[in-house]
Amino acid sequence: QKEVEQNSGPLSVPEGAIASLNCTYSDRGSQSFFWYRQYSGKSPELIMFIYSNGDKEDGRFTAQLNKASQYVSLLIRDSQPSDSATYLCAVDTGGFKTIFGAGTRLFVKA
Amino acid sequence: GAVVSQHPSWVICKSGTSVKIECRSLDFQATTMFWYRQFPKQSLMLMATSNEGSKATYEQGVEKDKFLINHASLTLSTLTVTSAHPEDSSFYICSARREIGTDTQYFGPGTRLTVL
Repeated sequence: QKEVEQNSGPLSVPEGAIASLNCTYSDRGSQSFFWYRQYSGKSPELIMFIYSNGDKEDGRFTAQLNKASQYVSLLIRDSQPSDSATYLCAVDTGGFKTIFGAGTRLFVKA
Repeated sequence: GAVVSQHPSWVICKSGTSVKIECRSLDFQATTMFWYRQFPKQSLMLMATSNEGSKATYEQGVEKDKFLINHASLTLSTLTVTSAHPEDSSFYICSARREIGTDTQYFGPGTRLTVL
């Protein structure tokens, strides 16, 4: 059973702080990794994808991938109340199937 | 680019009726579309994978005769919930994968179904 694990949270950070969201996956052959943001009552929205080990930065967001440890994370710098949402980690294990984690709820306190 | 639409955005129906939900990729061709269901405060549950021109592949536990999926073109997939019952009330979300070059899924805005 291929799995993607996330801490359900809630993770609470003060405005302006760095929020760190973590995800582990079980299939060592996984190639593509995604972070989605989902606001309550809305569908997921793609934030970032990463394929290679290391860091990938896009604005206030940084995705980090460590394939040896089967670990992918998302850092949100200068967190804003509008960042409060559920963040879904997704892993493509090859073929047509992407496996989603259950999501981590983030609260950014003003 | 990579815009996916769904219609309707919400629907209320009586028990026993059928409801059709459309999913369209507006600015790209999608050979593969996915249908998810999400109950309140729960994660996405993949229902089926839909490939253009072929039968959908359903996940274990999903009744293919109840949830009819048609992927008639490279930009349109439909999900029909047949003989809907209150337990089918949920948030149904489709996603689409571009034809070439990426395995990223782009999600539609979702359809909230309430069965009375």
